[in-house]
Amino acid sequence: GAVVSQHPSRVICKSGTSVKIECRSLDFQATTMFWYRQFPKQSLMLMATSNEGSKATYEQGVEKDKFLINHASLTLSTLTVTSAHPEDSSFYICSARDLRQTNTGELFFGEGSRLTVL
Amino acid sequence: AQSVAQPEDQVNVAEGNPLTVKCTYSVSGNPYLFWYVQYPNRGLQFLLKYITGDNLVKGSYGFEAEFNKSQTSFHLKKPSALVSDSALYFCAVRDQGGNTPLVFGKGTRLSVIA
Repeated sequence: GAVVSQHPSRVICKSGTSVKIECRSLDFQATTMFWYRQFPKQSLMLMATSNEGSKATYEQGVEKDKFLINHASLTLSTLTVTSAHPEDSSFYICSARDLRQTNTGELFFGEGSRLTVL
Repeated sequence: AQSVAQPEDQVNVAEGNPLTVKCTYSVSGNPYLFWYVQYPNRGLQFLLKYITGDNLVKGSYGFEAEFNKSQTSFHLKKPSALVSDSALYFCAVRDQGGNTPLVFGKGTRLSVIA
C-alpha cells in the first residue's frame, strides 16, 4: 500500500520556539494532504487542507499564522508550529490522498508526530 | 455537513468471541465509509472501506463491515477476536464527489481479554 512518512516522530521543544513537521508521500503523488491534531483519548480534528502550489485551507478556529503549512511539491507538505506554547502539545498526524484515487477517497496516514512543549 | 457517531467509548470482548464496533453516519449525499485502527503513539492504519457495490465489505486482519443505508450504519465486525486486536478504532465518512477530507468519529477502544 501507499506509504506516508512523517518526521520527526517525537519532538520536545522550549516554549517560544518553532517546530517543523514534514509529511512525505513516498510512492505516490498527492496534490492534497490533510493535517489532523489528536488530543489524548480524543478523535482526530482536521486542522487544515494542504494543496500543492496554493495556500492551505484552515478549519474554523485554527490560527493560520500559528500553524504554517507549506505544500511545495506533490510529495511533501510541512506544518510549522510557530512560537510554540505548552497548549500546542499534541499528536499531529498528516494524511495524503493518492492523486490517482481522488474519487475513492482513501487517505494514507503518517505515523504521527508527538510534540511536547515545555 | 458530514458527521460520524461511535456510540461506545469502550468495547470489551473475550478472545475468540465475535466483536462488533458500532458506527452511524450522516452525509448529504452518498457516503464513502472507512474504518481505521490506531495503536498507541502510532498513525492510523486502514482496515476497509465502502465505496459502492456489495454492502458487506471485507478488510484487513479478518475484519468486515456492513453498509446499511436505511439505518445509516457501518458497523465493524470480526467473527473471532484476538488479543492483538486491542486498539483504538475510528470510523470515518466523506461525501462522494469532490476532494473533501474525512470526518472521523471519536473512536472506540477495543479491549480483547484472554
